[in-house]
Amino acid sequence: DSGVTQTPKHLITATGQRVTLRCSPRSGDLSVYWYQQSLDQGLQFLIQYYNGEERAKGNILERFSAQQFPDLHSELNLSSLELGDSALYFCASSVGGTTLEQYFGPGTRLTVT
Amino acid sequence: EDQVTQSPEALRLQEGESSSLNCSYTVSGLRGLFWYRQDPGKGPEFLFTLYSAGEEKEKERLKATLTKKESFLHITAPKPEDSATYLCAVPSLDDKIIFGKGTRLHILP
Repeated sequence: DSGVTQTPKHLITATGQRVTLRCSPRSGDLSVYWYQQSLDQGLQFLIQYYNGEERAKGNILERFSAQQFPDLHSELNLSSLELGDSALYFCASSVGGTTLEQYFGPGTRLTVT
Repeated sequence: EDQVTQSPEALRLQEGESSSLNCSYTVSGLRGLFWYRQDPGKGPEFLFTLYSAGEEKEKERLKATLTKKESFLHITAPKPEDSATYLCAVPSLDDKIIFGKGTRLHILP
């Protein structure tokens, strides 16, 4: 158990809908990272927040947005969902803003039908 | 373009048969390279961070090494429980984390 929690574990929704994925980092960690993992693309970095501020941005679609709240939990919002958004979404956390040692949560499996 | 390439894509070994996994990278100003292990349907589990060429780190049957162009994950006398996908990653200069596609390792008893 990494100490990072993600909810929900599974999510099934229809195209065009909007969903919110939630992540709580390990106690004491200030950074939260979001990743998307699909079979053909591997693990893709989406975005990083450090102590409430956006710190780094990867290949995150405009339909996706994220935020980190004062209690350091984070939410990833996915809107206008498409079939291709079906994937595993992982959250990770680390102590600092540039720490390479990240601890991953169990993931949320999103299925768009 | 910053890139991480892992080889082989898949590897099947007999229990006790040692081997190495490769991670080659092209990134400006390497600030570290890290290795993760991922079991099916689970989140990656942190293994090692390497910061400079020549550095080595060990954990049980695993040893990671780093050169200026690549990293190797050596697996000595593996056991079936070492079966997993091994991922390496590097941060780009603008802090995007770039993962390789991984090596799927299967150890046969």
